[in-house]
Amino acid sequence: DVKVTQSSRYLVKRTGEKVFLECVQDMDHENMFWYRQDPGLGLRLIYFSYDVKMKEKGDIPEGYSVSREKKERFSLILESASTNQTSMYLCASSPPDRLPYEQYFGPGTRLTVT
Amino acid sequence: AQKITQTQPGMFVQEKEAVTLDCTYDTSDQSYGLFWYKQPSSGEMIFLIYQGSYDEQNATEGRYSLNFQKARKSANLVISASQLGDSAMYFCALASGSARQLTFGSGTQLTVLP
Repeated sequence: DVKVTQSSRYLVKRTGEKVFLECVQDMDHENMFWYRQDPGLGLRLIYFSYDVKMKEKGDIPEGYSVSREKKERFSLILESASTNQTSMYLCASSPPDRLPYEQYFGPGTRLTVT
Repeated sequence: AQKITQTQPGMFVQEKEAVTLDCTYDTSDQSYGLFWYKQPSSGEMIFLIYQGSYDEQNATEGRYSLNFQKARKSANLVISASQLGDSAMYFCALASGSARQLTFGSGTQLTVLP
């Protein structure tokens, strides 16, 4: 069965802290994605990766960075957390280049920055 | 650029009735795919149904069907015989041939009334 896991379901951090959100998939997918979800805005793409050590900016990369050292793991890093980064973060993976690019999602991490 | 529009922030339906959730899209690609995902209050994204731009027949998956009108650029989700468990947020998403990532709409919150 397809599996995408995220390190935490709920996380509370203080302003200025460095925050790591981890995502692991067991499907040997090349493509991995990080989204944030806010009410009324849907899912917005932060960063994505097509392969190990490769990354591409999405629509809202400011304040975030990513790391992909192994194929199965894609980390989202908040260098200095701010209150406007309080959100739901969703990780996803998909098989290589072909439609339909169906994405498999993790359970999400609800991050609160105080 | 790809764009997805969901104009219904919230919808109500009586149990056992059918409901249509609207989705319009914009893309300049000839090859693309449209997805619908369900997100219950627990947060996970559940894939429901997929329609390819070259598929001649509308996609169906159990109680879900996708009313695909290519000329109007619409891909509405129809849920027949609504159940209380259908109460959730529903997202429409577009994958186009020139981009590997999905573009999501803002979502529709569906509430099924007993």
